Amino acid sequence: DTVLTQSPALAVSPGERVTISCRASESVSTLMHWYQQKPGQQPTLLIYLASNLESGVPARFSGSGSGTDFTLTIDPVEADDTATYYCQQSWNDPPTFGSGTKLEIK
Amino acid sequence: EVQLQQSGAELVKPGASVKLSCKTSGYTFSNYYMSWLKQMPGQNIEWIGNIYGGNGGTGYNQKFKGKATLTVDKSSSTAYMDLSSLTSEDSAVYFCARLTTEDAFDYWGQGVMVTVSS
Repeated sequence: DTVLTQSPALAVSPGERVTISCRASESVSTLMHWYQQKPGQQPTLLIYLASNLESGVPARFSGSGSGTDFTLTIDPVEADDTATYYCQQSWNDPPTFGSGTKLEIK
Repeated sequence: EVQLQQSGAELVKPGASVKLSCKTSGYTFSNYYMSWLKQMPGQNIEWIGNIYGGNGGTGYNQKFKGKATLTVDKSSSTAYMDLSSLTSEDSAVYFCARLTTEDAFDYWGQGVMVTVSS
């Protein structure tokens, strides 16, 4: 299975720019998606196909990358962005998720 | 408005089976795949499998073959997942999620906690 590696945690202050990385163990083309999950809730889709903003998601969120290296950027960060962020690939079978990056807002 | 409403929490004994439901509304059920996913406490999310609302065609993660069986009832726009021979390793939150044409999960149910305990 394709392994997606994310850094476990980040802490930033409101108004700052944060980048969350995701590295795939093999190429996933641009079939990479990003989700936000708050405690006790279901994940919500933020970015699909590496760089496309899901409808209704604030433009503060953006995504980039292709192949094996991907980035989710939040600029500027707000207090409500406290959550765990997951990348997910759908190029290789089975679809797999990263272990998540927990974002703390100081 | 698209909605996926899952059934309530389950407490089941080891060795038993459980059937989870995911009732949908706000879109044409038969035009989309529904996926089921597993999240153990504090852990990663795992994809269990997909089922097509139109004809019930399925695809499974090899890891969950024999454990999960996916079905649909088109008349009620509801997807189901049967989990069999439950062990403590099956204790988790299970989500249903709609699969887009871009192979992302755009709408999710609220999740259902399954606890396997004697």
